[in-house]
This record gives sequence, C-alpha cells and structure tokens, in this order.
Amino acid sequence: KNEVEQSPQNLTAQEGEFITINCSYSVGISALHWLQQHPGGGIVSLFMLSSGKKKHGRLIATINIQEKHSSLHITASHPRDSAVYICAAPDMRFGAGTRLTVKP
Amino acid sequence: GAGVSQSPRYKVAKRGQDVALRCDPISGHVSLFWYQQALGQGPEFLTYFQNEAQLDKSGLPSDRFFAERPEGSVSTLKIQRTQQEDSAVYLCASSPSGGTSGRGYNEQFFGPGTRLTVL
Repeated sequence: KNEVEQSPQNLTAQEGEFITINCSYSVGISALHWLQQHPGGGIVSLFMLSSGKKKHGRLIATINIQEKHSSLHITASHPRDSAVYICAAPDMRFGAGTRLTVKP
Repeated sequence: GAGVSQSPRYKVAKRGQDVALRCDPISGHVSLFWYQQALGQGPEFLTYFQNEAQLDKSGLPSDRFFAERPEGSVSTLKIQRTQQEDSAVYLCASSPSGGTSGRGYNEQFFGPGTRLTVL
C-alpha cells in the first residue's frame, strides 16, 4: 500500500471549473510538496507547505497535518492546467499522481 | 545553465547492456536526488547525495544500479546489465541545501528526465 495516496487518479473538467485534488498519507510528516508534471516529463514544484494554506495565482493548497490530508485546488481552470499533479512527502515518497485534463 | 539538465534525453538499450545517465544540477546546489518513474506512476526515490557524499541509496532496486557524484556537482547513474523492467524515466533533482532532516525538506528542481527503454 502506497503511503501517499491521491484521488482521483484521473480528472476531466471543463474550462472554468473549480478543481480539487486530494492527497492523504499514512505516515507522520511535517510538510508536503505539490508538484506539477507536464507531458514530456518536466516537473515543477508548486508548493511546499507545513500548515494552513498557500496560494499562488489560481492555485491553492491546504494541509491538515493532524488529519494527514492535503488538497490542491485550481480555480477557473484552463486547458493549460492539464498535467499530472503529484503530492510528495518530505522524504520524497510520491503519490501516483492525478492526471487532470481541462477541456476548452 | 539555468536549470537541471539531463542527458541523454532518450536512451534505447539492448537487454544486458550497461547504460550511464548524466545529471547536471543547478550550480551550487548541495543536494542531488535520483528518481525512477515507471509509466503511469509517481516517481520512486532511488538515491540522494549531499555534495559528493551518497547519504541514502536505499531506493536502488538492485546492485546493478550505481550512482556517483565525485566532485559534488555532476552525477552519473549507471545501470549494469539492463533488464526490461529497468525501462522507465529517470529523473534527477537538485536542491540548494540538505535541510535539517536530510532529503526532501527544501524545494527540489527537477530535470527533464531520461527515458530509458530496454529492448
């Protein structure tokens, strides 16, 4: 069983929709990374957060350390947001990723 | 360069061949990580360097895998006697510092990866 689990595995949305991707983990951690991987493999770090909420543009990440849960939200989604979103624990245990497709 | 670079970007090897994958981290970055990503899966940790010291190699799947970073900058991941199950994207990432708890506490900057296909 993967210690870092994401849901859903695949997500298709219409442009403009509000997106939520969830990450839960079974081990105690003090911070979590959210990463974005585009087709072709390039990975970009979106957030590293240890409590509360962080916002960057249309992206919002929240974490509840006690409940071992984090969410990534995308407001006003756009086709260019289409990518795989991955959460990772600090010792770099990765979730399997959520493949997001935003249709125009 | 401005980011992490990896070479080659694509490698096709015959089963049994040895391969060497190169990672050039961002200049000055202390930490360097190697990951293996199978199709449709998240990256899996292979090994971690702080400068030239390999502090963690617990993720290397077998003794056919070997990594080095002799001068604390460029790193090479070598796979001997490649097998079909070695086919994956190999990602390298670097980080400015080692962090207080070793790997992972600081933002990592990823390279584009090397896609290895073993026939």
